[in-house]
Amino acid sequence: QLQLQESGPGLVKPSETLSLTCTVSGGSVSSGIYYWGWIRQSPGKGLEWIGSVHYSVSTYYNPSLKSRVAISVDTSTNQFSLKLTSVTAADTAVYYCVRRGLGATFDYWGQGTLVTVSS
Amino acid sequence: DIQMTQSPPTLSASVGNRVTITCRASQDISNYLAWFQQKPGKAPKCLIYAASSLQSGVPSKFSGSGSGTDFTLTISSLQPEDFATYYCQQYNSYPITFGQGTRLEIK
Repeated sequence: QLQLQESGPGLVKPSETLSLTCTVSGGSVSSGIYYWGWIRQSPGKGLEWIGSVHYSVSTYYNPSLKSRVAISVDTSTNQFSLKLTSVTAADTAVYYCVRRGLGATFDYWGQGTLVTVSS
Repeated sequence: DIQMTQSPPTLSASVGNRVTITCRASQDISNYLAWFQQKPGKAPKCLIYAASSLQSGVPSKFSGSGSGTDFTLTISSLQPEDFATYYCQQYNSYPITFGQGTRLEIK
């Protein structure tokens, strides 16, 4: 059974970089038929797709965040990561790592991790 | 970006009722539409993909329909565990977008 687990600091200062890692177990990030990505949910708000990466093909980002975001895959550790630069309070959210099949939707989600941006 | 508009924002219903939630896309998304259920403090769970296909392990009380721009999620015989927030999501084109959610509450 595939499992995704987010990890990283729960508190980030304004203007700094938010960094999260998702560890994949029960599957491989180098599988050619999946994208790995991130979705966030601000407190009391809806869901916002951040971006998705295929280990060898391409990366897609939400244009609203594209200038600040980078998602990468590490096949040696079976993990993928999110970096979001120049954060503000508006980036406070629960961050979920997710898997989606090619041409499909998000079928596996991590449990989510709350990241608060505050000094 | 494709805008996804759900209605109603909040729906009150009783145990045993049948309810329908609608989702409209701002442009044609064919059948690249999924429905998710989210309970407080939990990650969303996929119920329906490709507009009408039931995700593995999801009970048949959940059903989806539609194509193009108009979609519906129907839940029959509501049980206490069904009261949650439901989101539609399009994956026809990037950026992937979600509806704003429909909160299903007990009347």
